[in-house]
Amino acid sequence: EAEVAQSPRYKITEKSQAVAFWCDPISGHATLYWYRQILGQGPELLVQFQDESVVDDSQLPKDRFSAERLKGVDSTLKIQPAELGDSAMYLCASSWDSNTPTDTQYFGPGTRLTVL
Amino acid sequence: GQQVMQIPQYQHVQEGEDFTTYCNSSTTLSNIQWYKQRPGGHPVFLIQLVKSGEVKKQKRLTFQFGEAKKNSSLHITATQTTDVGTYFCAGPSRRGYQKVTFGTGTKLQVIP
Repeated sequence: EAEVAQSPRYKITEKSQAVAFWCDPISGHATLYWYRQILGQGPELLVQFQDESVVDDSQLPKDRFSAERLKGVDSTLKIQPAELGDSAMYLCASSWDSNTPTDTQYFGPGTRLTVL
Repeated sequence: GQQVMQIPQYQHVQEGEDFTTYCNSSTTLSNIQWYKQRPGGHPVFLIQLVKSGEVKKQKRLTFQFGEAKKNSSLHITATQTTDVGTYFCAGPSRRGYQKVTFGTGTKLQVIP
């Protein structure tokens, strides 16, 4: 069964450093999502791509976060500089097409970020 | 913006007891999705409900979508230790594309 791949699985960094996370969605999925999940809370959408275009980044802290999906396949989420409050699980998900009313998402294993 | 609340936030049950979590949206939903996240894991899609009043079953799990399409429930009959985890509902708001808002989650602990 196809899965969403993410790397690294764990990342420890010091504040003010730069970090980057990578996501490879299920083959053929047009929509890719990056979520942040703080312990004990539900996933919060950071950015949503349809192919290579951003369709929603309203909750992305753009002063320090950036995301790209240049060829409409895999994606990178970057934080620079990292802050203590960025410690969380960063989840990537993909789906066939978010323009379809019954579209459903498949999540990757996530990257656990700890900022010291 | 759209808000999706779930109650209870936590639930401890004895193995064999039933469990129910409720999901309420501030806006009408085109559909409702349910996900399960095991401790240390990632959300896994369980089911999607589309029609008003729809009821679906998966073995011991029963999912219901409210008549007004603003609320939903998940009921587990005779819980088992494998049911442990956090259950999230997720409601898409239709704005030309689906933006899914996740609920606050209900964490289920089953005591053997």
